[in-house]
Amino acid sequence: KAGVTQTPRYLIKTRGQQVTLSCSPISGHRSVSWYQQTPGQGLQFLFEYFSETQRNKGNFPGRFSGRQFSNSRSEMNVSTLELGDSALYLCASRGLSTNEKLFFGSGTQLSVL
Amino acid sequence: KNQVEQSPQSLIILEGKNCTLQCNYTVSPFSNLRWYKQDTGRGPVSLTIMTFSENTKSNGRYTATLDADTKQSSLHITASQLSDSASYICVVSDGGTAGNMLTFGGGTRLMVKP
Repeated sequence: KAGVTQTPRYLIKTRGQQVTLSCSPISGHRSVSWYQQTPGQGLQFLFEYFSETQRNKGNFPGRFSGRQFSNSRSEMNVSTLELGDSALYLCASRGLSTNEKLFFGSGTQLSVL
Repeated sequence: KNQVEQSPQSLIILEGKNCTLQCNYTVSPFSNLRWYKQDTGRGPVSLTIMTFSENTKSNGRYTATLDADTKQSSLHITASQLSDSASYICVVSDGGTAGNMLTFGGGTRLMVKP
C-alpha cells in the first residue's frame, strides 16, 4: 500500500509569489490535514479536509488555503509569500475515526527568498 | 489555551542506555495522546496512541505511559540504538465536535552516540 505522497519535495520561491503544494493520501483515506513545521514554532496545524469539506482550521492568515478533490487528493495554496512562510509543509491522512493514527508524507520544503 | 510542553528539549545518551521523555499537557476536552518519531527531513511516524482509559502502551522498545489525572505522559526508550536518534513529538487531541484538533509539543531531540 503506497504511503502519503507530497509533491514537490523542494521548492524555492520569492516574496510575493504564490505556491501550490500537492498531497495524495493513502488509498481509502478520506481525511487529509496540513501542517507547517519551522524550527522556531514546531509543528502547527493548518487545516483538515474530509470528503472535500474543510472540517477544521488552525490559526493562520487567509493567505493559506486548501481544497480537496473527489479522489481525496488535496492541494494547499499560499498566496503573497512572505519570508516567514519558509518551512516544511507536511500533510497527513487517516481513516474514518479521529482516534486513528495519522500517516504523514515526507513534506515539501519551501524556501522563500 | 491548549498547550503541550515537552522536556527535555534535547538529550544525548550512549547506545544501549535507556531514557525517558516527558510530556505535560493542558488540553480540554481530552481525546487521545500520541507520540511520534520524526527523523530529520522526514514526516513524523506514529509510535503510540493512548485514550483516556489507557495508562500504558508499548511498541517494541518504546513504552508510553499516561496519567490523565496529572495530565502527564512519558515515553521510555529501552536499550537505545543509533537509529533512535530523532525528534520525538507529543501530540494531544481535544476530540472536539468539529473533528480532530491537535496540539503539538515542541519535541525532544534525542541523539544516541556509539
